[in-house]
Amino acid sequence: DAKTTQPPSMDCAEGRAANLPCNHSTISGNEYVYWYRQIHSQGPQYIIHGLKNNETNEMASLIITEDRKSSTLILPHATLRDTAVYYCTHSGTGNQFYFGTGTSLTVIP
Amino acid sequence: DAGVTQSPTHLIKTRGQQVTLRCSPKSGHDTVSWYQQALGQGPQFIFQYYEEEERQRGNFPDRFSGHQFPNYSSELNVNALLLGDSALYLCASSLGGRGLDGYTFGSGTRLTVV
Repeated sequence: DAKTTQPPSMDCAEGRAANLPCNHSTISGNEYVYWYRQIHSQGPQYIIHGLKNNETNEMASLIITEDRKSSTLILPHATLRDTAVYYCTHSGTGNQFYFGTGTSLTVIP
Repeated sequence: DAGVTQSPTHLIKTRGQQVTLRCSPKSGHDTVSWYQQALGQGPQFIFQYYEEEERQRGNFPDRFSGHQFPNYSSELNVNALLLGDSALYLCASSLGGRGLDGYTFGSGTRLTVV
C-alpha cells in the first residue's frame, strides 16, 4: 500500500504562511502527489497535485523534493477558513488514493 | 455545474439490515470511487467503477458491493450490517479512471448502525 506520513496537527497564525510537510517514500516514478483538505462534515476538497516540478494554483503551492520522497504544501496567507484536515496522498499501484490520518491545521486569529 | 451528489445525507440502520447509498458524479465525469471514513480516520478506498465494471477494490469484504449505471451514477450496497460499518461514506468522481486532475468528492452519507 502507498504510505504517507504527516504530522498530526499544526497551528498557524492568521495571515502567515502555513507549511504542511509530507513524507511519501513509497512513491514510484510515474505517480503524482496530491493534496486534499477536509473541512468538518464535508467531503475532501482537491487542492493541488504535481509530479516532480513545483506547482502553484490559486489555492496553494506545492514543493516536491528532487528525490520525490517528500513534499510541502504551502498556503501563502492562511485564513480562518483554511482550518481543516489536510491529506497528502498518491495513487499507489492502482487508481485509488490512500489517505492517512492527515494533518489537522488550526489557523489562529 | 453540479458537483457530486450523494443520497441520503444521513441514515440509521439496524444490525443485520441492508443499505443502498447513491451517487451522481460531477457532470462530465465517468468514473466513480467509493470511500469509507470512520470517525477520526482518513478515507479508506472501497472500490472504483468505470465503464459499468468494478475496476479496482480495496480491502473490504464481499458484503460491500456496487453498481454503475449507463449514466455513470453509482450505488454502494452493504449487506448484513455490522456496528463497525458506521461511518461516513464518500463518493468521488473523476474522468478516465486515473483521476489525474484530482477527484471531486461528495459531502457523503453518514451511516449509523445500531
